[in-house]
Amino acid sequence: ETGVTQTPRHLVMGMTNKKSLKCEQHLGHNAMYWYKQSAKKPLELMFVYNFKEQTENNSVPSRFSPECPNSSHLFLHLHTLQPEDSALYLCASSQDRRRGGLYRPETDTQYFGPGTRLTVL
Amino acid sequence: QKEVEQNSGPLSVPEGAIASLNCTYSDRGSQSFFWYRQYSGKSPELIMFIYSNGDKEDGRFTAQLNKASQYVSLLIRDSQPSDSATYLCAVNGPGAGGTSYGKLTFGQGTILTVHP
Repeated sequence: ETGVTQTPRHLVMGMTNKKSLKCEQHLGHNAMYWYKQSAKKPLELMFVYNFKEQTENNSVPSRFSPECPNSSHLFLHLHTLQPEDSALYLCASSQDRRRGGLYRPETDTQYFGPGTRLTVL
Repeated sequence: QKEVEQNSGPLSVPEGAIASLNCTYSDRGSQSFFWYRQYSGKSPELIMFIYSNGDKEDGRFTAQLNKASQYVSLLIRDSQPSDSATYLCAVNGPGAGGTSYGKLTFGQGTILTVHP
């Protein structure tokens, strides 16, 4: 659990609030991910960053805004959320995904943080 | 058709038995396959990955991959009550631009209960 940390662990916010989730990885990885996990649903990939560049936005509403200032830190800025956005938000990291390099399955292995349990009132 | 399918269970096995968890996937281009365990209220933790056809063993866990049938499974030998959790199957790709660039697709998970 100490390889990828997330803060806060729990967050309750109103629909008009603005808050941010923080993720930090200490594994020397260069790819970072945000996932949403709702009850009885599979993990939903939200965003992918590789070497600080956003490489995937999985049709996420604009009320979720990611930021990746460096390869170790990832933020998710939240504003005007809806009650249906209540979920467990998970951050993960993996080794770099250099284009054109030899494929190594180890680079796809993702390590998760403990998650932030978000409740939107 | 879902990209990664798992039987949601719950799967109930007695202590000491072999638990068998199954997963099918739709993308024939997938290269690596992962099993994660998730306890209630916790985040997923990696059990093991496999990328070659056949079996891969790690302690009490054995992953089996059959790419022709697009099927991957996880066997847990000598199941213990502490193995009770949700088991997630994940498959790499497709990512942006049709590559497997940094993306895992997860199944909905199978709930396993090991009873004493």
